Amino acid sequence: GAGVSQSPRYKVAKRGQDVALRCDPISGHVSLFWYQQALGQGPEFLTYFQNEAQLDKSGLPSDRFFAERPEGSVSTLKIQRTQQEDSAVYLCASSLQGAAPKKLFFGSGTQLSVL
Amino acid sequence: AQKVTQAQTEISVVEKEDVTLDCVYETRDTTYYLFWYKQPPSGELVFLIRRNSFDEQNEISGRYSWNFQKSTSSFNFTITASQVVDSAVYFCALRGASGSRLTFGEGTQLTVNP
Repeated sequence: GAGVSQSPRYKVAKRGQDVALRCDPISGHVSLFWYQQALGQGPEFLTYFQNEAQLDKSGLPSDRFFAERPEGSVSTLKIQRTQQEDSAVYLCASSLQGAAPKKLFFGSGTQLSVL
Repeated sequence: AQKVTQAQTEISVVEKEDVTLDCVYETRDTTYYLFWYKQPPSGELVFLIRRNSFDEQNEISGRYSWNFQKSTSSFNFTITASQVVDSAVYFCALRGASGSRLTFGEGTQLTVNP
C-alpha cells in the first residue's frame, strides 16, 4: 500500500500476556518512530530507528517494552507481561529522511486494551 | 525539557465560522521546529505544516493560516470559513534541532457543525 500500515488494528490482551504490534512503513523510508497515545492525550515518543539501528529508545516506559527493525523496513513493538496501564493506541510513523525528518507519515495505529 | 500546551480541549463552531487553535511552547533550544498535525476519526495523524524558529513569517495555505510569534512562544492555527470536514483533533508539536522526537500537546478537538 501507499501508506504506513499497522496490524492488528485492535488487540485485546489479558493482563500478563505478551503482545506484538507490527508496522509496515512506506517503502524506502529511512526513519521509523513508535508513539504511544493514551485516551484523550497527545502521542508520546517511545523509540526511533534509522534503518535497522535503534538510535533512541529513551521513551520506552519500562524494560517490558522492546522494539526491533531487523532489516530496516518492518518493525515490531513487543510488550511483555502487559499491564492495564499499557492500554493505549500505539502509532507508527515513518519518514524518507534520516535525522530530524521534516514530515512524518503516520499509520492508523493499534488500539491495545489490557483487561 | 520541552513542553507544548494547547489550552483549548474542545472547540465547537458552526460551519463557515473562523476558528483559531492556540499553541504555546517551551524550549531551551535556540533552534527548533514547530508542527501542526490533524487527527481525523480514522486515527492517523496528517502533517499540516512545519516552521523553524528562525522563520517568523506567517503562512497561509488555502483556508489554513499559521501565526508564529517567538516573543510569546506561540504558534497559533486559524481555519477560515470552517467546514464539517475540518472536524478532527489538532495537535501542535515541537522538535529540537538535535533530536528526532516530537513533543506533542494534548490536542484540541474541533467540531464543526453544519
